[in-house]
Amino acid sequence: QKEVEQNSGPLSVPEGAIASLNCTYSDRVSQSFFWYRQYSGKSPELIMSIYSNGDKEDGRFTAQLNKASQYVSLLIRDSQPSDSATYLCAARGYNQGGKLIFGQGTELSVKP
Amino acid sequence: SAVISQKPSRDICQRGTSLTIQCQVDSQVTMMFWYRQQPGQSLTLIATANQGSEATYESGFVIDKFPISRPNLTFSTLTVSNMSPEDSSIYLCSVESGEDEQYFGPGTRLTVT
Repeated sequence: QKEVEQNSGPLSVPEGAIASLNCTYSDRVSQSFFWYRQYSGKSPELIMSIYSNGDKEDGRFTAQLNKASQYVSLLIRDSQPSDSATYLCAARGYNQGGKLIFGQGTELSVKP
Repeated sequence: SAVISQKPSRDICQRGTSLTIQCQVDSQVTMMFWYRQQPGQSLTLIATANQGSEATYESGFVIDKFPISRPNLTFSTLTVSNMSPEDSSIYLCSVESGEDEQYFGPGTRLTVT
């Protein structure tokens, strides 16, 4: 099993819908998780970090962490065409000096 | 979050040559990281650069190919040496904030012909 896994997509949702992006992780990562958004031709931009079980909300974004099932998800409410991007899930490696381990990314397309 | 700049933003280089990429941060940071993102792929960590010590390289990356300097707490360079077309990638530096979060620079798009 890879340390951090994501469905590569593409995931297509209509404008105004909820986009749900999922990520699973192995025992080889620690309990710090991050969601990045990357527009085509741009560098990754940090959207959310989550460290505790449960939900964390920031505007239209909600990160969810379930340690028992080893998954972390990102919900985008009221999706907009401007949310169309690749979303990268990342986790911090155990005892690896701050190293971030990235999933392969999920491409999201929001259709008007 | 820190403001990070990289130079050059892009370059086209001939095989066999070397390119040095600069990363400048507007505040002092302990840890800086260099990543590579090959076309259509996710990010792969090349090395961690801490000021005052040798860079720590990930499996598959060696100092002779990717020498790194970290002369102070706001600056680092990554050199891609003896380039081949397989080195064509986006190279990104990142820094870690006090809140355990990493922020990325704008990246350097390298094409090797």
